[in-house]
Amino acid sequence: AQKVTQAQTEISVVEKEDVTLDCVYETRDTTYYLFWYKQPPSGELVFLIRRNSFDEQNEISGRYSWNFQKSTSSFNFTITASQVVDSAVYFCALSGNSGGSNYKLTFGKGTLLTVNP
Amino acid sequence: DTAVSQTPKYLVTQMGNDKSIKCEQNLGHDTMYWYKQDSKKFLKIMFSYNNKELIINETVPNRFSPKSPDKAHLNLHINSLELGDSAVYFCASSHPSSSASLYNEQFFGPGTRLTVL
Repeated sequence: AQKVTQAQTEISVVEKEDVTLDCVYETRDTTYYLFWYKQPPSGELVFLIRRNSFDEQNEISGRYSWNFQKSTSSFNFTITASQVVDSAVYFCALSGNSGGSNYKLTFGKGTLLTVNP
Repeated sequence: DTAVSQTPKYLVTQMGNDKSIKCEQNLGHDTMYWYKQDSKKFLKIMFSYNNKELIINETVPNRFSPKSPDKAHLNLHINSLELGDSAVYFCASSHPSSSASLYNEQFFGPGTRLTVL
Protein backbone atom coordinates (compact mmCIF):
# COMPACT_ATOMS: atom_id res chain seq x y z
CA ALA A 1 0.00 0.00 0.00
CA GLN A 2 1.12 3.50 -0.69
CA LYS A 3 1.14 6.28 1.84
CA VAL A 4 2.06 9.96 1.85
CA THR A 5 2.59 11.82 5.10
CA GLN A 6 2.60 15.57 5.42
CA ALA A 7 3.25 16.03 9.11
CA GLN A 8 2.77 19.79 9.08
CA THR A 9 -0.94 20.51 9.18
CA GLU A 10 -0.57 24.28 9.20
CA ILE A 11 2.31 26.69 8.80
CA SER A 12 2.16 30.43 9.25
CA VAL A 13 4.97 32.73 8.13
CA VAL A 14 5.54 36.39 7.51
CA GLU A 15 6.07 37.58 3.98
CA LYS A 16 9.62 37.18 2.65
CA GLU A 17 10.41 34.32 4.98
CA ASP A 18 11.54 31.02 3.51
CA VAL A 19 9.36 28.04 4.28
CA THR A 20 9.79 24.30 3.75
CA LEU A 21 6.90 21.88 3.44
CA ASP A 22 7.74 18.31 4.34
CA CYS A 23 6.58 15.19 2.54
CA VAL A 24 7.45 11.60 3.42
CA TYR A 25 6.20 8.70 1.35
CA GLU A 26 5.94 4.92 1.55
CA THR A 27 5.75 2.59 -1.40
CA ARG A 28 6.90 -0.89 -2.38
CA ASP A 29 7.03 0.03 -6.04
CA THR A 30 10.44 0.25 -7.63
CA THR A 31 9.29 2.92 -10.02
CA TYR A 32 7.13 5.75 -8.84
CA TYR A 33 6.42 9.43 -9.31
CA LEU A 34 6.02 12.17 -6.77
CA PHE A 35 3.98 15.30 -7.25
CA TRP A 36 3.17 18.56 -5.57
CA TYR A 37 -0.12 20.34 -6.10
CA LYS A 38 -1.28 23.72 -4.84
CA GLN A 39 -4.86 24.46 -3.84
CA PRO A 40 -5.41 28.21 -3.36
CA PRO A 41 -8.47 29.54 -1.51
CA SER A 42 -10.37 29.58 -4.81
CA GLY A 43 -10.33 25.79 -4.66
CA GLU A 44 -8.75 24.59 -7.89
CA LEU A 45 -5.85 22.14 -7.86
CA VAL A 46 -2.76 23.41 -9.60
CA PHE A 47 0.04 21.07 -10.65
CA LEU A 48 3.49 22.27 -9.53
CA ILE A 49 6.00 19.50 -10.16
CA ARG A 50 6.52 15.84 -10.99
CA ARG A 51 9.62 13.86 -10.05
CA ASN A 52 10.36 10.24 -10.96
CA SER A 53 12.04 7.81 -8.60
CA PHE A 54 15.19 7.58 -10.71
CA ASP A 55 15.89 11.26 -10.73
CA GLU A 56 17.17 12.59 -7.42
CA GLN A 57 18.33 15.90 -8.77
CA ASN A 58 16.94 18.84 -6.92
CA GLU A 59 14.88 21.24 -8.95
CA ILE A 60 14.44 24.96 -8.78
CA SER A 61 11.73 26.97 -10.48
CA GLY A 62 11.81 30.62 -9.56
CA ARG A 63 11.13 30.89 -5.83
CA TYR A 64 10.19 27.20 -5.64
CA SER A 65 12.63 24.37 -5.07
CA TRP A 66 12.25 20.68 -4.38
CA ASN A 67 14.57 18.32 -2.53
CA PHE A 68 14.06 14.63 -3.31
CA GLN A 69 15.95 12.21 -1.09
CA LYS A 70 15.28 8.57 -1.79
CA SER A 71 17.31 7.45 1.23
CA THR A 72 14.86 9.11 3.58
CA SER A 73 11.79 8.74 1.31
CA SER A 74 11.25 12.46 1.38
CA PHE A 75 10.27 15.03 -1.22
CA ASN A 76 10.32 18.41 0.46
CA PHE A 77 9.20 21.69 -1.06
CA THR A 78 10.76 25.05 -0.24
CA ILE A 79 9.35 28.46 -1.06
CA THR A 80 11.94 31.21 -0.89
CA ALA A 81 10.93 34.76 -0.02
CA SER A 82 7.30 33.78 0.47
CA GLN A 83 4.52 36.05 -0.73
CA VAL A 84 0.92 36.47 0.35
CA VAL A 85 -0.17 34.85 -2.93
CA ASP A 86 1.58 31.66 -1.84
CA SER A 87 -1.10 31.15 0.81
CA ALA A 88 -2.76 27.87 -0.07
CA VAL A 89 -3.03 24.23 0.83
CA TYR A 90 -0.17 22.25 -0.64
CA PHE A 91 -0.51 18.56 -1.38
CA CYS A 92 2.19 16.02 -1.93
CA ALA A 93 1.10 12.97 -3.95
CA LEU A 94 2.48 9.62 -5.12
CA SER A 95 1.80 7.39 -8.12
CA GLY A 96 3.25 3.89 -8.37
CA ASN A 97 3.59 1.16 -11.00
CA SER A 98 1.78 -1.85 -9.62
CA GLY A 99 -1.68 -2.96 -8.61
CA GLY A 100 -3.34 -0.13 -10.41
CA SER A 101 -1.40 2.43 -8.40
CA ASN A 102 -0.24 3.93 -11.67
CA TYR A 103 -3.86 4.87 -12.29
CA LYS A 104 -4.33 7.00 -9.20
CA LEU A 105 -2.66 9.60 -7.06
CA THR A 106 -2.31 8.92 -3.35
CA PHE A 107 -2.37 12.27 -1.61
CA GLY A 108 -1.05 13.45 1.70
CA LYS A 109 -3.44 15.32 3.94
CA GLY A 110 -2.07 18.67 2.84
CA THR A 111 -0.31 21.55 4.55
CA LEU A 112 -2.12 24.85 4.92
CA LEU A 113 0.38 27.63 4.37
CA THR A 114 -0.58 31.12 5.45
CA VAL A 115 1.71 33.95 4.47
CA ASN A 116 1.00 37.11 6.42
CA PRO A 117 1.92 40.56 5.13
CA ASP B 1 -10.42 26.68 -23.96
CA THR B 2 -10.83 25.08 -20.52
CA ALA B 3 -8.81 21.87 -20.23
CA VAL B 4 -10.97 19.93 -17.76
CA SER B 5 -14.44 21.23 -17.09
CA GLN B 6 -17.10 20.12 -14.64
CA THR B 7 -20.76 21.01 -14.33
CA PRO B 8 -22.30 22.10 -12.15
CA LYS B 9 -19.87 23.98 -9.95
CA TYR B 10 -22.28 23.94 -7.03
CA LEU B 11 -24.99 21.40 -6.30
CA VAL B 12 -27.35 21.65 -3.35
CA THR B 13 -29.89 18.88 -2.95
CA GLN B 14 -32.01 16.97 -0.49
CA MET B 15 -31.14 13.63 1.03
CA GLY B 16 -32.45 10.74 -1.02
CA ASN B 17 -32.28 12.52 -4.36
CA ASP B 18 -30.32 11.34 -7.40
CA LYS B 19 -27.88 13.72 -9.06
CA SER B 20 -25.21 13.75 -11.75
CA ILE B 21 -21.96 15.64 -12.22
CA LYS B 22 -20.53 15.95 -15.70
CA CYS B 23 -16.88 16.10 -16.65
CA GLU B 24 -15.28 16.81 -19.99
CA GLN B 25 -11.65 17.19 -21.01
CA ASN B 26 -10.33 18.60 -24.28
CA LEU B 27 -6.71 17.58 -23.75
CA GLY B 28 -6.89 14.39 -25.77
CA HIS B 29 -6.14 12.33 -22.66
CA ASP B 30 -7.24 8.73 -22.42
CA THR B 31 -7.49 8.36 -18.67
CA MET B 32 -9.96 10.15 -16.42
CA TYR B 33 -10.54 10.11 -12.70
CA TRP B 34 -12.93 11.13 -9.95
CA TYR B 35 -11.61 12.24 -6.58
CA LYS B 36 -13.51 13.22 -3.44
CA GLN B 37 -12.26 15.96 -1.15
CA ASP B 38 -13.88 15.88 2.26
CA SER B 39 -14.41 18.70 4.72
CA LYS B 40 -10.90 18.22 6.10
CA LYS B 41 -9.46 18.70 2.61
CA PHE B 42 -8.44 15.07 2.31
CA LEU B 43 -8.34 13.99 -1.36
CA LYS B 44 -9.07 10.39 -2.20
CA ILE B 45 -9.42 8.56 -5.49
CA MET B 46 -12.86 7.17 -6.25
CA PHE B 47 -12.62 5.87 -9.82
CA SER B 48 -10.26 5.85 -12.74
CA TYR B 49 -11.07 5.01 -16.34
CA ASN B 50 -8.67 4.27 -19.16
CA ASN B 51 -10.02 4.29 -22.70
CA LYS B 52 -13.55 4.14 -21.28
CA GLU B 53 -12.75 1.05 -19.20
CA LEU B 54 -12.98 1.05 -15.41
CA ILE B 55 -9.52 0.55 -13.90
CA ILE B 56 -9.98 1.51 -10.28
CA ASN B 57 -13.03 1.48 -8.04
CA GLU B 58 -11.73 2.40 -4.65
CA THR B 59 -14.41 0.78 -2.47
CA VAL B 60 -16.95 3.38 -3.40
CA PRO B 61 -20.60 2.61 -2.49
CA ASN B 62 -22.75 1.25 -5.29
CA ARG B 63 -24.80 4.42 -5.16
CA PHE B 64 -21.98 6.04 -7.12
CA SER B 65 -21.91 5.03 -10.76
CA PRO B 66 -19.43 6.57 -13.19
CA LYS B 67 -20.17 6.50 -16.88
CA SER B 68 -17.73 7.17 -19.68
CA PRO B 69 -19.52 7.56 -23.02
CA ASP B 70 -16.22 8.41 -24.72
CA LYS B 71 -12.63 9.15 -23.79
CA ALA B 72 -13.34 12.85 -23.32
CA HIS B 73 -16.16 12.44 -20.81
CA LEU B 74 -16.53 10.83 -17.41
CA ASN B 75 -19.77 11.54 -15.63
CA LEU B 76 -20.63 10.68 -12.06
CA HIS B 77 -24.14 9.69 -11.08
CA ILE B 78 -25.09 9.43 -7.44
CA ASN B 79 -28.24 7.69 -6.26
CA SER B 80 -30.02 8.14 -2.94
CA LEU B 81 -27.79 10.93 -1.73
CA GLU B 82 -26.73 10.88 1.91
CA LEU B 83 -25.47 13.62 4.20
CA GLY B 84 -22.01 12.06 4.14
CA ASP B 85 -21.79 12.57 0.40
CA SER B 86 -21.36 16.30 0.94
CA ALA B 87 -17.90 17.09 -0.39
CA VAL B 88 -16.06 18.61 -3.31
CA TYR B 89 -15.74 16.22 -6.24
CA PHE B 90 -12.86 16.68 -8.62
CA CYS B 91 -12.57 15.23 -12.07
CA ALA B 92 -9.08 14.84 -13.55
CA SER B 93 -7.43 13.50 -16.67
CA SER B 94 -3.99 12.33 -17.72
CA HIS B 95 -2.34 10.57 -20.61
CA PRO B 96 -0.64 7.37 -19.39
CA SER B 97 -1.07 5.54 -22.64
CA SER B 98 2.45 4.20 -22.80
CA SER B 99 4.81 2.88 -20.19
CA ALA B 100 7.10 5.82 -20.76
CA SER B 101 4.41 8.27 -19.87
CA LEU B 102 2.62 6.19 -17.28
CA TYR B 103 3.10 8.76 -14.58
CA ASN B 104 2.09 11.93 -16.24
CA GLU B 105 0.60 14.60 -14.08
CA GLN B 106 -3.13 14.71 -13.68
CA PHE B 107 -4.97 17.84 -14.69
CA PHE B 108 -7.88 18.67 -12.44
CA GLY B 109 -11.21 20.27 -13.11
CA PRO B 110 -12.43 23.16 -10.96
CA GLY B 111 -14.41 20.87 -8.65
CA THR B 112 -18.10 20.48 -7.86
CA ARG B 113 -19.19 21.35 -4.36
CA LEU B 114 -22.02 19.01 -3.42
CA THR B 115 -24.13 19.84 -0.39
CA VAL B 116 -26.71 17.35 0.79
CA LEU B 117 -29.32 18.74 3.16
